[in-house]
Amino acid sequence: KQEVTQIPAALSVPEGENLVLNCSFTDSAIYNLQWFRQDPGKGLTSLLLIQSSQREQTSGRLNASLDKSSGRSTLYIAASQPGDSATYLCAVSLISSGSARQLTFGSGTQLTVLP
Amino acid sequence: NAGVTQTPKFRVLKTGQSMTLLCAQDMNHEYMYWYRQDPGMGLRLIHYSVGEGTTAKGEVPDGYNVSRLKKQNFLLGLESAAPSQTSVYFCASSYPFREQFFGPGTRLTVL
Repeated sequence: KQEVTQIPAALSVPEGENLVLNCSFTDSAIYNLQWFRQDPGKGLTSLLLIQSSQREQTSGRLNASLDKSSGRSTLYIAASQPGDSATYLCAVSLISSGSARQLTFGSGTQLTVLP
Repeated sequence: NAGVTQTPKFRVLKTGQSMTLLCAQDMNHEYMYWYRQDPGMGLRLIHYSVGEGTTAKGEVPDGYNVSRLKKQNFLLGLESAAPSQTSVYFCASSYPFREQFFGPGTRLTVL
């Protein structure tokens, strides 16, 4: 069974700092990996999707990398801002999960950016 | 575009009562999903659908039923609610093999 782990569970940084969030998964036969942010009491907002054939994806100040062989992904946030404060979740879909490509989620990293 | 919407936003039930949660999407997505989110457990897939008229079980389907009579709607039913079903429920939709888009969630409390 695929397990997805995110460490640390919580992270607090001063505004302007660059930071890296980590995600690891046990089964490397993934179809894709998706990063989300979740604000308190809200739904999930998709940030980046990396297909298994890709090494990284970028959107604005966000850069996500994928290393399938080591079962790891990182989300890099440049020049962090207080508005980046949220819980960040990674999720993977397995090739074996069938046509729906069901997602398996990590428990998330709660990020606080201090002004 | 409204994206993915969920009705209701909040609900309190007594044990044994039934209810239906409605999910609607206006993005013409083929695939739709129901998840539940619990502290310490993360998000877990309940049921999903790969097209109108088709549904399948996810990781935690017991106690729930679903229907997809129209492409844009995916209903989640609880026939006899239990306190263990207290959770936040999220609906999502996607094109095949593409990123999933989530609704705002329904917070359900079963007393």
